[in-house]
Amino acid sequence: AQKITQTQPGMFVQEKEAVTLDCTYDTSDQSYGLFWYKQPSSGEMIFLIYQGSYDEQNATEGRYSLNFQKARKSANLVISASQLGDSAMYFCAMREGIQGAQKLVFGQGTRLTINP
Amino acid sequence: EAGVAQSPRYKIIEKRQSVAFWCNPISGHATLYWYQQILGQGPKLLIQFQNNGVVDDSQLPKDRFSAERLKGVDSTLKIQPAKLEDSAVYLCASSLDIVSAYEQYFGPGTRLTVT
Repeated sequence: AQKITQTQPGMFVQEKEAVTLDCTYDTSDQSYGLFWYKQPSSGEMIFLIYQGSYDEQNATEGRYSLNFQKARKSANLVISASQLGDSAMYFCAMREGIQGAQKLVFGQGTRLTINP
Repeated sequence: EAGVAQSPRYKIIEKRQSVAFWCNPISGHATLYWYQQILGQGPKLLIQFQNNGVVDDSQLPKDRFSAERLKGVDSTLKIQPAKLEDSAVYLCASSLDIVSAYEQYFGPGTRLTVT
């Protein structure tokens, strides 16, 4: 069963607009973590933002914020004031497993294209 | 601070041949991960090391894949013999330790094409 679902294969946004990338997850654990990574064409995975399941406030990192809705099991990434350099693949991931043997499970990704 | 290094960046082999990938993690990082990323999919964890011990290799196809991290620093992932479906990008990542596994740093990857 898919644990991380990203329903948007591709998104096209005008430069300077805000964009929301969707992510839903499935877990029965009480303690878990959610991540967003950016993968430009160079191939490297770049960590963007992290949200712990017990964090009461939504995580923010510069232009990135995570809209965490625990009851709906969603963890959408919001990029404000998009830039041309934001064009890339974006992956949502969840940390699962027992402490000492945890791993990341990734979604299928969303390709974001910023148009000038 | 130097990042995670991987080599080679690209490799093309014929099916049934063998291939090896090398990874050098960030200095001082005890935990090392190998991921397989097939085109159009997210990365899938193949194996996780804590120092030179294996923590999780549940998704490693052990009949053809092997990995080692003998001195707890750099690591090698081998495929023998390769199949067409092994064509993918192989990503190496490291984290300070297993407790801070959420903060993984990734290398540039090795793109493998099996013909």
